[in-house]
Amino acid sequence: GAVVSQHPSWVICKSGTSVKIECRSLDFQATTMFWYRQFPKQSLMLMATSNEGSKATYEQGVEKDKFLINHASLTLSTLTVTSAHPEDSSFYICSARDREPYEQYFGPGTRLTVT
Amino acid sequence: GQNIDQPTEMTATEGAIVQINCTYQTSGFNGLFWYQQHAGEAPTFLSYNVLDGLEEKGRFSSFLSRSKGYSYLLLKELQMKDSASYLCAVSDSGYALNFGKGTSLLVTP
Repeated sequence: GAVVSQHPSWVICKSGTSVKIECRSLDFQATTMFWYRQFPKQSLMLMATSNEGSKATYEQGVEKDKFLINHASLTLSTLTVTSAHPEDSSFYICSARDREPYEQYFGPGTRLTVT
Repeated sequence: GQNIDQPTEMTATEGAIVQINCTYQTSGFNGLFWYQQHAGEAPTFLSYNVLDGLEEKGRFSSFLSRSKGYSYLLLKELQMKDSASYLCAVSDSGYALNFGKGTSLLVTP
């Protein structure tokens, strides 16, 4: 099956700094990638939909100036958490969609801890 | 808007059968998914239903009734390793997944 990687798998940063998370589709081209966030004991919440070559579409309540998404190629999307705060500490997961609508593959996730 | 409901927790015995229900009310529908998620890991795909009926895949089966906004995941011959969270998700018109809160399943000996 298709493989989606994320880097880093975990990161600890200080409050006020920025962190970039990469999401790559390794063996297929993903025209659409999705970014989710999951807090402890809660389900995944969609943050934004990222289409290659265009601006991301953010879900209601997600600050687009704080969570910068770039989808510069068909195999790479990045999420940058700017001016991170402790409340941004969470598990960030990306997924990538192949040609068929049901073929959506998740990356292994990135655990962000802001101190 | 999206409203996806599933039980918070379930417990079942090893070797038994368990059914996890999911009801949904969504503005768009491009299919219903079930994912398994172990703690600290990303979800793994279990099943996809877009038409009414039962889809069977080994020990796992998933059912969908679009008119009732209802799905269930059936797990047979439960194994200890099946202890995990099971997430019901509906794909909207943009193919993004809207997840329910997940059902934490505990399989006991």
